[in-house]
Amino acid sequence: DVKVTQSSRYLVKRTGEKVFLECVQDMDHENMFWYRQDPGLGLRLIYFSYDVKMKEKGDIPEGYSVSREKKERFSLILESASTNQTSMYLCASSLSSKNTEAFFGQGTRLTVV
Amino acid sequence: GQSLEQPSEVTAVEGAIVQINCTYQTSGFYGLSWYQQHDGGAPTFLSYNALDGLEETGRFSSFLSRSDSYGYLLLQELQMKDSASYFCAVKSGAGSYQLTFGKGTKLSVIP
Repeated sequence: DVKVTQSSRYLVKRTGEKVFLECVQDMDHENMFWYRQDPGLGLRLIYFSYDVKMKEKGDIPEGYSVSREKKERFSLILESASTNQTSMYLCASSLSSKNTEAFFGQGTRLTVV
Repeated sequence: GQSLEQPSEVTAVEGAIVQINCTYQTSGFYGLSWYQQHDGGAPTFLSYNALDGLEETGRFSSFLSRSDSYGYLLLQELQMKDSASYFCAVKSGAGSYQLTFGKGTKLSVIP
């Protein structure tokens, strides 16, 4: 089974802190995604990556950056956390651009105080 | 940009059939997917349509009309465990691709 692991299930950070959310997949997938999920807004794409060191902006990249130094790991970085970044963050991966199924991690509930 | 529209809530009776519609606007469309998410859980893949027509997987079927930018998920013989949120998602892009989700439809199955 494909496993997508997010480093933390719950996280509380202070406003202005630099926050790292880590995601690791164990199936040699090419594509990785970061979403945030808020009530009534569904899943909104922040950034995605189709290869090591490659990244593309999604629909809401402002206030975020990403890093993909190794194929299996995709990190989401909040340069200076703000209270409006309090959310559930979901990481996903898929085998390749030809593949249709994305596998999700269990999510990180981030609270910025 | 991409946009998807689906109903926010649907209620149906156990054993019945329910259809969840999704309309989308996007450029570089590849296909339409459906995902299920139970409260507190991660989204899980249900189906994918790249071509027009109906795809059936057990009690669930998914339909796509590319010319109408429209699709639906059909759930038959509803069970209580089908109570969850259902998301349509568009695969789009050129070269690399992104997966854009709708806001989700919360399905409540009642006895």
